[in-house]
Amino acid sequence: AQSVAQPEDQVNVAEGNPLTVKCTYSVSGNPYLFWYVQYPNRGLQFLLKYITGDNLVKGSYGFEAEFNKSQTSFHLKKPSALVSDSALYFCAVSPDQTGANNLFFGTGTRLTVIP
Amino acid sequence: DVKVTQSSRYLVKRTGEKVFLECVQDMDHENMFWYRQDPGLGLRLIYFSYDVKMKEKGDIPEGYSVSREKKERFSLILESASTNQTSMYLCASSFVLGDQPQHFGDGTRLSIL
Repeated sequence: AQSVAQPEDQVNVAEGNPLTVKCTYSVSGNPYLFWYVQYPNRGLQFLLKYITGDNLVKGSYGFEAEFNKSQTSFHLKKPSALVSDSALYFCAVSPDQTGANNLFFGTGTRLTVIP
Repeated sequence: DVKVTQSSRYLVKRTGEKVFLECVQDMDHENMFWYRQDPGLGLRLIYFSYDVKMKEKGDIPEGYSVSREKKERFSLILESASTNQTSMYLCASSFVLGDQPQHFGDGTRLSIL
């Protein structure tokens, strides 16, 4: 069965410090992996995706994510956090490489960047 | 930019009412999805559609139905609303290939009294 785990409900980081939001997954085959961000009273916005190739993926707003196949992880990172990065972050996996593009989401991690 | 528009941002209905949530996308996407979002549970898929008049059950379809008569529009129907259906509802759309991201609307916060 496919699943995605975000082990931390809440991450706090000081402004200017590096941030990491963790994600691990369980899926058969070669998955597609995604990160989304949700600001208050808004829908989810796509940040970045891993399909194949380079394990370090760069995305919007200076975010990047590192795919680690042996650890089945896809952690979201940013070298220097901004207060405006405070939001709810979701990791998602698509086990389908063709077809309906169903996504399985983690339960989300709330990031708070402290000024 | 992709635009996914949900007809209402906030909606208050009464128990037993039939409730319609509407979603329109402007990118000619084949796939459309309805999720509900609850604190601590993340997003759970209710129904999805990969073509006009086609629908597939997601993880939590009980108490819901959907309609897709046109490619750009996907409706979620609560046949007889109950208080446990109070939630945030999110619509999304995407192209058919699995490596394409889903694009989300801003959500409808539905309260059933």
